[in-house]
Amino acid sequence: AQTVTQSQPEMSVQEAETVTLSCTYDTSESDYYLFWYKQPPSRQMILVIRQEAYKQQNATENRFSVNFQKAAKSFSLKISDSQLGDAAMYFCAYRSDGGATNKLIFGTGTLLAVQP
Amino acid sequence: SQTIHQWPATLVQPVGSPLSLECTVEGTSNPNLYWYRQAAGRGLQLLFYSVGIGQISSEVPQNLSASRPQDRQFILSSKKLLLSDSGFYLCAWSVRWRGGYTFGSGTRLTVV
Repeated sequence: AQTVTQSQPEMSVQEAETVTLSCTYDTSESDYYLFWYKQPPSRQMILVIRQEAYKQQNATENRFSVNFQKAAKSFSLKISDSQLGDAAMYFCAYRSDGGATNKLIFGTGTLLAVQP
Repeated sequence: SQTIHQWPATLVQPVGSPLSLECTVEGTSNPNLYWYRQAAGRGLQLLFYSVGIGQISSEVPQNLSASRPQDRQFILSSKKLLLSDSGFYLCAWSVRWRGGYTFGSGTRLTVV
């Protein structure tokens, strides 16, 4: 069964600095999607960025980028120029592409604090 | 564009009372629909998912049930709430079999 591991329960970053959140996953599949979701204090789940496993190029969305290492099964999120509004819980998630087992599998989350 | 609506936003219910949370999706057809619960602000537990009208899969045994009476409507219910049912409930939808999920704004349920 697929698993997603976030080994950093909490992280802290200074405003305007860069922070990297780690995520590793375990799967035997070759086609899948990876996601980072942000959950601010409002608890709304917001999709930050997605990566298709077949794409070698790392996804970027403005200040957010990923380092996708398929062989190492690693999917880290880099937040550049951190802002106070980035403070939130961040969840890494995995979903296989098609097939019977197709549910989104979440990690346990990393709580990011942004210091002014 | 697709939107997902979830209500109510907040609910306080006494132990033993019934529950009905509703989720609707607009702008898409044949979505996969999901109910999650999040306790203590950490970790999401998948409760139910549905791939079509009347098709419900339960992930964990519990005091709750789900129904999908229409293609884009997903309802979470309970006949008698327990204290342990308190939590934050999220509805989500996805394109069938691929891509990410889009979440509703959630319902904060407190059972007293």
